Amino acid sequence: DAGVIQSPRHEVTEMGQEVTLRCKPISGHDYLFWYRQTMMRGLELLIYFNNNVPIDDSGMPEDRFSAKMPNASFSTLKIQPSEPRDSAVYFCASSLDTGADTEAFFGQGTRLTVV
Amino acid sequence: GQQVMQIPQYQHVQEGEDFTTYCNSSTTLSNIQWYKQRPGGHPVFLIQLVKSGEVKKQKRLTFQFGEAKKNSSLHITATQTTDVGTYFCAGPYSGTYKYIFGTGTRLKVLA
Repeated sequence: DAGVIQSPRHEVTEMGQEVTLRCKPISGHDYLFWYRQTMMRGLELLIYFNNNVPIDDSGMPEDRFSAKMPNASFSTLKIQPSEPRDSAVYFCASSLDTGADTEAFFGQGTRLTVV
Repeated sequence: GQQVMQIPQYQHVQEGEDFTTYCNSSTTLSNIQWYKQRPGGHPVFLIQLVKSGEVKKQKRLTFQFGEAKKNSSLHITATQTTDVGTYFCAGPYSGTYKYIFGTGTRLKVLA
């Protein structure tokens, strides 16, 4: 398996524009997580899904943020409209509940810059 | 809400010196995970501890879970330049899969 795949790797957009980040989890994994990483706030969990269903979105900062998982192999994180303070690295991660280790496998991340 | 703090925030060591980072949770954890993030990279899973007082070793790395399951530590013996990066602990929020990451400890190893 190629691991968790995120696209794009880098995104530069103007304030007010819509931004869509994409993630393909590892095949067979039943959990998918979206994290945001900044120097000031560290690694924050935004939302996570189990079997394509959103379980906890309490970390989503504002209504401008939305996430979907239409099927087991694809998820999106959308920001509309984007603001400069949304600039960060966004990571997608997936994991499999084996009853033992529940390690999360992270994608390479999308570095978002909103100007 | 649940908070996971790590100390120190930064650590610079000479190659060959030992290094320890400490992780403290405001609540009891069912398990704790450790991740390493190289500069410019993504977090990579190192280990998961489950039992109270558990100690696990991976070559030069020693991981410990506290008796009260509220704290943990990672100790690296004889650091190498390949150990450079940020080390995070992560604990699940109240029996869920919502893992809260610690603040991280950034390690720099001077050759």
